[in-house]
Amino acid sequence: QKEVEQNSGPLSVPEGAIASLNCTYSDRGSQSFFWYRQYSGKSPELIMSIYSNGDKEDGRFTAQLNKASQYVSLLIRDSQPSDSATYLCAVINTGNQFYFGTGTSLTVIP
Amino acid sequence: DAGITQSPRHKVTETGTPVTLRCHQTENHRYMYWYRQDPGHGLRLIHYSYGVKDTDKGEVSDGYSVSRSKTEDFLLTLESATSSQTSVYFCAISDSSQSPLHFGNGTRLTVT
Repeated sequence: QKEVEQNSGPLSVPEGAIASLNCTYSDRGSQSFFWYRQYSGKSPELIMSIYSNGDKEDGRFTAQLNKASQYVSLLIRDSQPSDSATYLCAVINTGNQFYFGTGTSLTVIP
Repeated sequence: DAGITQSPRHKVTETGTPVTLRCHQTENHRYMYWYRQDPGHGLRLIHYSYGVKDTDKGEVSDGYSVSRSKTEDFLLTLESATSSQTSVYFCAISDSSQSPLHFGNGTRLTVT
């Protein structure tokens, strides 16, 4: 079982819609969770960190964490073509090891 | 960018030759990491460092070695490059074991 799993997509949404990206993790004791955005040919860029159950909002982005179900999600409201990228979920497990999912490719259609 | 410079940005080398990639940071962060990124595998940890001269292996460390003689520099060496080491290599830094990572711009390595 992989430490972090994501649906690879591709996920396509029309401009202005909500994009929903999901991630599950295997280590129940994990405490730190992150979402990164990676444009093609570029390095991953941190967009959200979340450490507690519930929602955390930052502009058009909302991260949701449910430790009981071991999933993390990222919602992007009012999706823009510039949001088209691969989104990586990352988790720090109980061994302080940083694991990444393989990423979900998002395309926002104008 | 978080003050991280990787060099070179691109390199083509032949099978069997040694290769060294350099990561330089200006943030004075304690932790430094080397990842490789390949289609279908995502980011995989090669080696990491938690201080000067303190390093440890990641999940794909075979064929790689690292050194960290100064806080700001973390070197990744392929002793004898193989075609399976063709990849994009990213250096990352963080200031604690629970902090997010910040990445350099990457090195695209091709082994022919």
